[in-house]
Amino acid sequence: QVQLVESGGGVVQPGRSLRLSCAASGFTFSRYAMHWVRQAPGKGLEWVATLSYDGTNKYYVDSMKGRFTISRDNSKNTVSLQMNSLTPEDTAVYYCAKDWDIFGTGGIDYWGQGTLVTVSS
Amino acid sequence: QSVLTQPPSASGTPGQRVTISCSGSSSNIGSNFVYWYQQLPGTAPKLLIYRNNQRPSGVPDRFSGSKSGTSASLAISGLRSEDEAHYYCAAWDDSLSGWVFGGGTKLTVL
Repeated sequence: QVQLVESGGGVVQPGRSLRLSCAASGFTFSRYAMHWVRQAPGKGLEWVATLSYDGTNKYYVDSMKGRFTISRDNSKNTVSLQMNSLTPEDTAVYYCAKDWDIFGTGGIDYWGQGTLVTVSS
Repeated sequence: QSVLTQPPSASGTPGQRVTISCSGSSSNIGSNFVYWYQQLPGTAPKLLIYRNNQRPSGVPDRFSGSKSGTSASLAISGLRSEDEAHYYCAAWDDSLSGWVFGGGTKLTVL
């Protein structure tokens, strides 16, 4: 069965960086695009970034372009999100998610359990 | 302000049928598939409907989706207490080159 396990969350000071990771299993990782989606406390879902199966196509929400970077290692079945210059508004649960297809426009079919990032001094 | 518009709340009594709407534009719902996700309290979202009206295996046929033009709907028939959750619609947006979500609808079973 598909499993997505996020790690790397925690408390970080404003202006600092954090790197989230997601370990995937139960499917052929290199054949699917992957996403990061976040949810601020008490708020709705917000798409963050998408990465195609081979890492060549990357999509970001405009508000995070230049600060966040999505990457993947198909040899280790992991996808990561590097987050820089964090602000309190980045406080959220970050979900790793799998797409139906290789490019990332097919839609999310599986979600991880999420990892909480708290940006606070 | 979400790109896709959903009512913030909906409610019904056990056994009733409720519908949740999702309104978008020509660049998202009007030209791409719509997806629906259910988020039970304290848990991760779960895929409920894909490609407008398809149910993944394991999702009861009480749940159904439809799309017309730039709007979509999720219908839940035979409402049960365990359906109490937040529901989100999503679609790819060609203009933004990214995914957009609705703001979510909190369903209460009275």
